[in-house]
Amino acid sequence: RKEVEQDPGPFNVPEGATVAFNCTYSNSASQSFFWYRQDCRKEPKLLMSVYSSGNEDGRFTAQLNRASQYISLLIRDSKLSDSATYLCVVNTLYSSASKIIFGSGTRLSIRP
Amino acid sequence: ETGVTQSPTHLIKTRGQQVTLRCSSQSGHNTVSWYQQALGQGPQFIFQYYREEENGRGNFPPRFSGLQFPNYSSELNVNALELDDSALYLCASSLGQESKNIQYFGAGTRLSVL
Repeated sequence: RKEVEQDPGPFNVPEGATVAFNCTYSNSASQSFFWYRQDCRKEPKLLMSVYSSGNEDGRFTAQLNRASQYISLLIRDSKLSDSATYLCVVNTLYSSASKIIFGSGTRLSIRP
Repeated sequence: ETGVTQSPTHLIKTRGQQVTLRCSSQSGHNTVSWYQQALGQGPQFIFQYYREEENGRGNFPPRFSGLQFPNYSSELNVNALELDDSALYLCASSLGQESKNIQYFGAGTRLSVL
C-alpha cells in the first residue's frame, strides 16, 4: 500500500461545476498536510495548507480527517484555469528528520 | 516567482556517468529538499538538508548524495547513472525543518539518461 494515495483521475468536469478530491495517508503520526497544484511541465505550487479545523480560501476548501486518515479538497464554481494536477502532500517529522510524501496527483480538466 | 533557482534546466547524460545538479534557495531559507519526478508521477522525496546536515531521506540508494553549503544552496549528486534516473529533479526551499513549513519549488532540472 502506498503511503499517500490519490485517485489519478482524470476528472473532466464542465466549467462552474463543483469537484472534490480525496487523498488517504497511512502514517497516523503524520503532522502536516498540504495541497499543491502542478501545471503541465511546471513546478508544484502551494494551493493551501490543510488544518485540523478545515480551511477555506475563496472557492477552495480543504479538510482533514485524522481518524480516517484522509484529506480532501473541494473546488466550487470551477474555472478553466483550474485545469491542472492536484497533489496532496503529507509531512512527518521523526526525531527532527523529515519525511515528505507526495501523492501521485489527480488530474483535473475543466471544459467550457 | 519563488526565488528558488535550479541549474541546469536540461541535461543529457549516458548510463554510468555522474551528474551534479544545483539549487539556490529562497533568500532566508535554510532548508532544501530534493525530489525526483518521473513522468505521470508525483515528486518522490530524495532527501532534505537543514543547516548543512542531511535531515531526512527517502527510499533512494546511496549513489544519490547531496551537500548544502553555508549560504544554504545545495547540490544533488547522482553516481553511476541508470536509465531509470531520467526524470525531472526538483528542489524546494523552506524556512526551518518543521513539518508545517511551506516549501517553494524551483522550476526543476530535466535529466535524460541515454
